[in-house]
Amino acid sequence: GQQVMQIPQYQHVQEGEDFTTYCNSSTTLSNIQWYKQRPGGHPVFLIQLVKSGEVKKQKRLTFQFGEAKKNSSLHITATQTTDVGTYFCAGNSGGYQKVTFGTGTKLQVIP
Amino acid sequence: EADIYQTPRYLVIGTGKKITLECSQTMGHDKMYWYQQDPGMELHLIHYSYGVNSTEKGDLSSESTVSRIRTEHFPLTLESARPSHTSQYLCASSDFKEKLFFGSGTQLSVL
Repeated sequence: GQQVMQIPQYQHVQEGEDFTTYCNSSTTLSNIQWYKQRPGGHPVFLIQLVKSGEVKKQKRLTFQFGEAKKNSSLHITATQTTDVGTYFCAGNSGGYQKVTFGTGTKLQVIP
Repeated sequence: EADIYQTPRYLVIGTGKKITLECSQTMGHDKMYWYQQDPGMELHLIHYSYGVNSTEKGDLSSESTVSRIRTEHFPLTLESARPSHTSQYLCASSDFKEKLFFGSGTQLSVL
């Protein structure tokens, strides 16, 4: 079945440093989504990428979808303490395939 | 934002009890999901539904069952709870773009 892996599993950064998490799927995806889960909370949708090579920005966050539509990345510039949480990618292979979540990257920002 | 509700928020019960976790959404979404998540860990899909009278088991084997008699309602039942069922249970629904909306979750503790 479809597997979606993320690296790193954990990341500690000093406030102001940049952060990147990578997502890799075992199968080609029709789209990729990113979610953020704050400690004690539930996952909240951030963005969806659909096109090969697509890049989208949300303020300090930059999302990229690979050319082969099997990988994606999330980059945060100049992290803040509000960025703390676990970031999940989620892939869908289209049709009636269910969404598969990645293993997640837990980000800790040290003030 | 999202109109998806889970009750109860917290539940502490004894071994062997039968429980039902409630999940309702008012967005008219056909697709609904149940995920199991231990603190800070991956989301494991345990059940999903693509519409009324449609239910499927997810990737993680679970002793729970679900039903989908109405579009807006997707309850999860454990016939006989055990300590190994202690976890957080997250319900979600998705729109036509596969964007997932999560409820606040039920934290279940089985003593």
